Amino acid sequence: AQSVTQLDSHVSVSEGTPVLLRCNYSSSYSPSLFWYVQHPNKGLQLLLKYTSAATLVKGINGFEAEFKKSETSFHLTKPSAHMSDAAEYFCVVSETGGSYIPTFGRGTSLIVHP
Amino acid sequence: EPEVTQTPSHQVTQMGQEVILRCVPISNHLYFYWYRQILGQKVEFLVSFYNNEISEKSEIFDDQFSVERPDGSNFTLKIRSTKLEDSAMYFCASTPLDTYQPQHFGDGTRLSIL
Repeated sequence: AQSVTQLDSHVSVSEGTPVLLRCNYSSSYSPSLFWYVQHPNKGLQLLLKYTSAATLVKGINGFEAEFKKSETSFHLTKPSAHMSDAAEYFCVVSETGGSYIPTFGRGTSLIVHP
Repeated sequence: EPEVTQTPSHQVTQMGQEVILRCVPISNHLYFYWYRQILGQKVEFLVSFYNNEISEKSEIFDDQFSVERPDGSNFTLKIRSTKLEDSAMYFCASTPLDTYQPQHFGDGTRLSIL
């Protein structure tokens, strides 16, 4: 069985400061992990993915995430927040070898203050 | 870049009526999915479709729901006898080959049941 927990429902940062969105997962198999972003009234856009290659994954718009198996975490970071980063972010896990149906976290709303 | 397109963007329907939500997946993709996101809640998997048949479905996807690929491009979700609790955003997604690749999402259809 797989599950994913996004530890913060809301994260508030000032423009230009670092962003950290936390995600923990559980999986009985080798997981594939994804971060998606959802802007208001839009679909989900893939930011980055981990599929058992490099543990530090770089994505679009300056985001990156590090897969830490020992901590079962896949936190999303960005060195400097922009106003345009304000959106809902979803961590998703899919099991390679198990049920491939992806499981979504509940989402973290990123608020960026000027 | 190719996109998944969904129509309509907003559908308002009386309770008890049938609705059909339409999706055009990316043309060379083979796996298709429907998800639901009730306002303020997490994204939930409904069903996946491959080779003209359902691959997986969740507990949510009961006899009220059906999917169809009526031609070579469209992928539809039909909801019979709609209920108030069917009000949600419905997202279509597709992947090229296998189910462990990230999914490409449409912008969603907001379904409002009155």
